[in-house]
Formats: sequence, structure tokens, C-alpha cells
Amino acid sequence: EDKVVQSPLSLVVHEGDTVTLNCSYEVTNFRSLLWYKQEKKAPTFLFMLTSSGIEKKSGRLSSILDKKELSSILNITATQTGDSAIYLCAVTEYGNKLVFGAGTILRVKS
Amino acid sequence: DSGVTQTPKHLITATGQRVTLRCSPRSGDLSVYWYQQSLDQGLQFLIHYYNGEERAKGNILERFSAQQFPDLHSELNLSSLELGDSALYFCASSPNTGGLVIGELFFGEGSRLTVL
Repeated sequence: EDKVVQSPLSLVVHEGDTVTLNCSYEVTNFRSLLWYKQEKKAPTFLFMLTSSGIEKKSGRLSSILDKKELSSILNITATQTGDSAIYLCAVTEYGNKLVFGAGTILRVKS
Repeated sequence: DSGVTQTPKHLITATGQRVTLRCSPRSGDLSVYWYQQSLDQGLQFLIHYYNGEERAKGNILERFSAQQFPDLHSELNLSSLELGDSALYFCASSPNTGGLVIGELFFGEGSRLTVL
């Protein structure tokens, strides 16, 4: 069965800290890995990583795909209280199935 | 605003009942996905439709069914409801062409179902 595992399950940091969130996966016919941020309701898209695009950066957020280790990390530098959210990792494979991990709950304290 | 509309936002019903959740995808998107999110299980993929046809099925119970209509809106029907069906049901759409790499999904705000 396809599996996407995120760690840690939750963490609490202070504003200004740097955090690294992890995602590992076991899927057949991997196509892409996506990161989403879920604050109150709907998840919103952050990054998509594929075999042809293994590193993405947007402002204080960056993500890397390690195809050999079947994993990805999401880094957030200089965290702010507005970064508090659930961060979801999802992996797609052939067949249009997008499998989500359970998420990492991040709380940034001021 | 993602452009994906879900109704109703909240509904409360009793065990054994049947409900229908409705989703209108973003204009032009052909793919609709349904997900269930409960506190202890995260986002669980239920089903994917592309241009009216079922394309992929996840952990969808036999008591649940879905369809996508010619105008591309989709409905998720939940019947013989149980307490454990209480969850947030998300619909998402994407413009992918059905067989290629899934790109970004645009999520609606969700329908929160409470079964008493």
C-alpha cells in the first residue's frame, strides 16, 4: 500500500527559528511530490517537485526532493507566527492518485 | 479564494441518514477530487473524476458514491451514515488532462459533516 509519512507530527518554535519538516514516501510509479499549507480550512499549494525539478524556493520557504532516499524536506527560515499551520506532503503516481501524509502541525510562538 | 465552491459548509444529521455534498470546480478544470479529513486520519483520498468519468478510487466506502455531471460539477453521496463518517469533506479541482502528472490541486473550503 502506498505510504507517505511526515515527521515530526508537531513542533513548537519561537519566531525567528528555522524549521525543517520531513516527508518520506513509498509509492509505485512516482510522478511528483507536493507541499501544501493548511491554516483554517482549505489546503493551499506551496511547491511541486518532480524528477526534473528537485529544488524549489519561495521567499523563506524552500524544499528539496531526494529521489534516492525517497524523501523531501521543507525548510522555513526566520519563522513568523503566520507560518503556524498544518503542513501537508502529498505524492502523486500514475493513475491520478494523490496520497497525503498525516501532516506536521507547526506552531510559532511570538 | 481558490475558485472551487462547496455546499453546504456545515451539516448536522443523524445516523442512518443520507446526505449529498456538492462541488463546483474552477472554471475550465476537468478534474474533481474528493477527500475526507478527520482528526485522526488526515486527508484521505476518496475518488477522482475527469470530464465525467471515474478515473481513480481510494478508500471510499460502498455506502459512498460520487458522480461528475456534464457541467463538471460533482456530487458526493453519503448514505447509511455512521458516527465515524463525521469529518470535513474536501473537493479539489485541477486542470490536468487525466493521465499526466497531477499538478496543483485547488481545494474548496470543505463541507463539515457531523453525524449525531
